[in-house]
Amino acid sequence: DSGVTQTPKHLITATGQRVTLRCSPRSGDLSVYWYQQSLDQGLQFLIHYYNGEERAKGNILERFSAQQFPDLHSELNLSSLELGDSALYFCASSAPLAPYNEQFFGPGTRLTVL
Amino acid sequence: GQSLEQPSEVTAVEGAIVQINCTYQTSGFYGLSWYQQHDGGAPTFLSYNALDGLEETGRFSSFLSRSDSYGYLLLQELQMKDSASYFCASSGDTPLVFGKGTRLSVIA
Repeated sequence: DSGVTQTPKHLITATGQRVTLRCSPRSGDLSVYWYQQSLDQGLQFLIHYYNGEERAKGNILERFSAQQFPDLHSELNLSSLELGDSALYFCASSAPLAPYNEQFFGPGTRLTVL
Repeated sequence: GQSLEQPSEVTAVEGAIVQINCTYQTSGFYGLSWYQQHDGGAPTFLSYNALDGLEETGRFSSFLSRSDSYGYLLLQELQMKDSASYFCASSGDTPLVFGKGTRLSVIA
């Protein structure tokens, strides 16, 4: 158990819908990262928040948005869902002074778009 | 941009040693890390190299050569539970970019 929690574990929805994925980092961690993992694209970095502020953006679609709240939990919002958005979504956190490379991943949310 | 290359599959015998190679092209390279992921599970951090040389953590070791843009993960005394996917990941101008992973199968 990494100490990072994600809800829900599974999500099944229809095309065109909007969903929200939630992540709570390990106690004391200020950074939250979001990743998408699909069979053909591997693990793709989406976005990084540090203490409530966006720090870096990766291959995140305009239909996706995220935020980190004052209590440091984060939400990833996915809208106008398409079949291709079906994937595992992970969040990860890291300690304040740790390098980017040492991240602790949550159990993931499996999103299925029908 | 950033990209990493690693073999897609490796098979090794229980008790043996296996090496998983990774070459990278990373702008502003900072360091290379390795993650393990079992089927249906989350990636788990294994090791991190920022400087050239070998880092040892129990049965696992990781090596980095910055001049060759190359690293490897060495797994010794392989156990069946080591069957998993192994990802190298580099940090540089963007936080972390992962390779596509190497699926390791340990056979009896």
